[in-house]
Amino acid sequence: DTEVTQTPKHLVMGMTNKKSLKCEQHMGHRAMYWYKQKAKKPPELMFVYSYEKLSINESVPSRFSPECPNSSLLNLHLHALQPEDSALYLCASSQEGLVQETQYFGPGTRLLVL
Amino acid sequence: SQQGEEDPQALSIQEGENATMNCSYKTSINNLQWYRQNSGRGLVHLILIRSNEREKHSGRLRVTLDTSKKSSSLLITASRAADTASYFCQETSGSRLTFGEGTQLTVNP
Repeated sequence: DTEVTQTPKHLVMGMTNKKSLKCEQHMGHRAMYWYKQKAKKPPELMFVYSYEKLSINESVPSRFSPECPNSSLLNLHLHALQPEDSALYLCASSQEGLVQETQYFGPGTRLLVL
Repeated sequence: SQQGEEDPQALSIQEGENATMNCSYKTSINNLQWYRQNSGRGLVHLILIRSNEREKHSGRLRVTLDTSKKSSSLLITASRAADTASYFCQETSGSRLTFGEGTQLTVNP
């Protein structure tokens, strides 16, 4: 299985809602990543988990809360988001937990905040 | 974080022609990778080139790296309509991961 899956594919939420994005991989990879991508812009790194520990947080606002329950699963908890947080959220994984490695991306969750 | 620059921002060619995209970066790198993204979907890895390498090939893809100029190029030969996508370079430097602005390639049948 060489796939990274993300659910849901689409999400619409209000600014007072709490929701979660889910990412799963079964390739035995030890690093997992969250990226945010606005339309016609490159992905921007948000968080990196390596061996289930948060290793990189790119100064992301606390309304985004990552969680890595085990090495196969990565969640992004969303609370009190702003309309400017609307974007495509991409999850990725890599083999040994090093950021220099090739990353395998999921299809993304398209988020709209109203 | 600083973003690398890619040029051109958009490139439109005919099927069968070659497409060249360039990426410049600002810091010393561990490696540089190229990814492809079809409209609004996840990224697919194409090639990784290490800082001590100058050229790599994979099928119709050729990547070069010039560390003295802090630049890399991606050449797609004999392009096909299915190559239509956005192409991004990603530099890795220490623990930093930075994507370039990307090139939107359109291959017309």
